[in-house]
Amino acid sequence: NAGVTQTPKFRILKIGQSMTLQCTQDMNHNYMYWYRQDPGMGLKLIYYSVGAGITDKGEVPNGYNVSRSTTEDFPLRLELAAPSQTSVYFCASRTSGRANEQFFGPGTRLTVL
Amino acid sequence: KQEVTQIPAALSVPEGENLVLNCSFTDSAIYNLQWFRQDPGKGLTSLLLIQSSQREQTSGRLNASLDKSSGRSTLYIAASQPGDSATYLCAESSGGGADGLTFGKGTHLIIQP
Repeated sequence: NAGVTQTPKFRILKIGQSMTLQCTQDMNHNYMYWYRQDPGMGLKLIYYSVGAGITDKGEVPNGYNVSRSTTEDFPLRLELAAPSQTSVYFCASRTSGRANEQFFGPGTRLTVL
Repeated sequence: KQEVTQIPAALSVPEGENLVLNCSFTDSAIYNLQWFRQDPGKGLTSLLLIQSSQREQTSGRLNASLDKSSGRSTLYIAASQPGDSATYLCAESSGGGADGLTFGKGTHLIIQP
């Protein structure tokens, strides 16, 4: 299993541009998550999904959108990039069982100039 | 809003020492607590997960404990090695639902050869 994969690894955007961060998992996990990590900080939850067609906001959802059309994929969309969105973005997934262990992708480092 | 605090923010010790990393949380209804390792520029690697009904978990030279009554968890690393140098993050989950993890800011650990 590849686990959780994310593309791209790095991206530089200009203010006002849009982009989609891709996340795919091959572990048949129902639950998927998007976090952002700012320098010297812990991760903060942006959005999460409990299954195909179901998404919900986390702690810091403003400026982002998500969709979940399949179990495997959970893309994160930035519509109008702002410098405050410069961060490292991590996708994670887990089963719906009681163990609740989350598995993380390698991250996407995004810079907005 | 739940909070997770990690002390110290940074720690440097000589190789071979045993050490303890601390994590405190405000959530009295914690469901589980997960310890992660993060290498520079990399994703998160899960080290140990402790369910709220458990007191500790062990994996090799690592031992994590959980005390719900005091709101504390510790990660004990025995016989530290230079390869243990990384940032260690703790994160808690509430209620067993779909919500994501609440993270501390991490402890940056350096093991001196």
